[in-house]
Amino acid sequence: AQSVAQPEDQVNVAEGNPLTVKCTYSVSGNPYLFWYVQYPNRGLQFLLKYITGDNLVKGSYGFEAEFNKSQTSFHLKKPSALVSDSALYFCAVIAGGFKTIFGAGTRLFVKA
Amino acid sequence: DTAVSQTPKYLVTQMGNDKSIKCEQNLGHDTMYWYKQDSKKFLKIMFSYNNKELIINETVPNRFSPKSPDKAHLNLHINSLELGDSAVYFCASSPGLAGTYEQYFGPGTRLTVT
Repeated sequence: AQSVAQPEDQVNVAEGNPLTVKCTYSVSGNPYLFWYVQYPNRGLQFLLKYITGDNLVKGSYGFEAEFNKSQTSFHLKKPSALVSDSALYFCAVIAGGFKTIFGAGTRLFVKA
Repeated sequence: DTAVSQTPKYLVTQMGNDKSIKCEQNLGHDTMYWYKQDSKKFLKIMFSYNNKELIINETVPNRFSPKSPDKAHLNLHINSLELGDSAVYFCASSPGLAGTYEQYFGPGTRLTVT
């Protein structure tokens, strides 16, 4: 069965420091991987995706993610965190079908 | 110029009532979805339509009935509401069914059943 794990409920980082939000997946076949962000009382917004090709993908707001097939991971990163990055982040996967499986979400808190 | 819109934004109702949530997208997308987000922020797909055809129908009680009158609209009707139906319901759309497409989400409808 397909699954996505976000092992951290919350990530705390100081403004200006690099941030990483972790995601691992379990699928049969080649995965399509996505990151979305949700601000309070808002719908999810697409950040970036990996479909094929270069393992490092760049997305909105300075975020990037690295696809690692051997570790079945797709961690979200940003070199320098902003207070405005504080939000709920979801990793998602689609493989072998049309259904998107979302992780449980990781709350990012960036302290000024 | 909202891409994916939902009405109402908030819905408070009593157990046993029937209610509907409406969703419209002006992106020209072929595929639309309904998701349920529970109080722990866990997000789960309920239904998906492609060109008005039901594609995904998860293990959702048959009290929930989606309807897609055209590609731009996907409504959700809920009969005999229960306390456990309280959640935020999100509509989303994507250009097509292929897994390569990202989804565009509406602002959500917060349903509270008392």
